[in-house]
Amino acid sequence: GAVVSQHPSRVICKSGTSVKIECRSLDFQATTMFWYRQFPKQSLMLMATSNEGSKATYEQGVEKDKFLINHASLTLSTLTVTSAHPEDSSFYICSARVGGGATEAFFGQGTRLTVV
Amino acid sequence: AQSVTQLGSHVSVSEGALVLLRCNYSSSVPPYLFWYVQYPNQGLQLLLKYTTGATLVKGINGFEAEFKKSETSFHLTKPSAHMSDAAEYFCAVSDNPAAAGNKLTFGGGTRVLVKP
Repeated sequence: GAVVSQHPSRVICKSGTSVKIECRSLDFQATTMFWYRQFPKQSLMLMATSNEGSKATYEQGVEKDKFLINHASLTLSTLTVTSAHPEDSSFYICSARVGGGATEAFFGQGTRLTVV
Repeated sequence: AQSVTQLGSHVSVSEGALVLLRCNYSSSVPPYLFWYVQYPNQGLQLLLKYTTGATLVKGINGFEAEFKKSETSFHLTKPSAHMSDAAEYFCAVSDNPAAAGNKLTFGGGTRVLVKP
């Protein structure tokens, strides 16, 4: 199946700093990628839909200025957590679809962000 | 709007016993349904999916699920549990598969514990 690579897998940062997470589709082009946040022992909550060459579409309640998404190419989307605080600590997962239709979404390995 | 309900946040089974994970959905249009598995600190891996056609779907690792429209259900089963099946399982629905940007809606997840 298609491969989605997410980097880094773990990151620890100080409160007030920014962290960038990369999501790459390795063997296919993804016009659309999705960013999820997962709290411990909970389900995935969609944060935003990343569209190549245009602005991301954020879900209700997600701060656009806090979680900056850039989808500069058909194989790369980035999520930047700006001015991170301990409450931003979470597991962030990206996914991408190969195309429309009934194709499944392929998921990255996830990034464990810890803000200290 | 679409939604997914997974009955039981935790399921404990003995090795060799039947695994049954329940999923009910609501969707205004014919749904596309998915089961994903997540191991600790990892992304999601597709187990199986229902699109159209045969309502009994077979997936990887011996899992299968049956789409029952009348019951709006898509329960996941495996005849004989293995220790390696211990993980978190998510049911998801997609109701507009023609759109590349279509979003998945996830259930709350069910954590499976396999006892020796």
